[in-house]
Amino acid sequence: AQTVTQSQPEMSVQEAETVTLSCTYDTSESDYYLFWYKQPPSRQMILVIRQEAYKQQNATENRFSVNFQKAAKSFSLKISDSQLGDAAMYFCAYQGGSEKLVFGKGTKLTVNP
Amino acid sequence: DTGVSQDPRHKITKRGQNVTFRCDPISEHNRLYWYRQTLGQGPEFLTYFQNEAQLEKSRLLSDRFSAERPKGSFSTLEIQRTEQGDSAMYLCASSLGMGSSSYEQYFGPGTRLTVT
Repeated sequence: AQTVTQSQPEMSVQEAETVTLSCTYDTSESDYYLFWYKQPPSRQMILVIRQEAYKQQNATENRFSVNFQKAAKSFSLKISDSQLGDAAMYFCAYQGGSEKLVFGKGTKLTVNP
Repeated sequence: DTGVSQDPRHKITKRGQNVTFRCDPISEHNRLYWYRQTLGQGPEFLTYFQNEAQLEKSRLLSDRFSAERPKGSFSTLEIQRTEQGDSAMYLCASSLGMGSSSYEQYFGPGTRLTVT
């Protein structure tokens, strides 16, 4: 079974600084997708960024980018120019041959003004 | 706003009672998913539908849990004889799935269940 591990339960960053959230996963599949979801307090989960495993180029979405290392099964999220609105739980998720998403336990990000 | 909606948002029930939750997906989405999220954990997959067909069920979905999507639109998740361990946030998501392609899953606000 696939597993997703987020080793940082909590992280903090100063406003306007850069922070990197870590994620590793375990799978024997060759084709899969990886995602970062954001869950603000008492609000619904939204997709931040996705990466197709067959693509070597790292995905970017404005201030959000990933470092995808397929051989190492690592998928970290970098948030540049952090803003107060970035404060949330961040979940790394895996989707392989099954439709289901497999989530990590999450990292709580605090942004300090 | 035509996002995923869930009803009710909060439910408090006594142990042993039955509860039913409803999810209305984004209208053109043919795939619908149910997840459960307990405090301090990421969401865990329960089941998913493509149109009205339930295609996958997790082992987490005991015999007390049943989900339906009768006309391929809204879905219901029923829990019979609730237990305190059922207390959690129940999340619904939907996506537009075509073949083996993966499309973004859009999540609803969730239904928070408390079993006393």
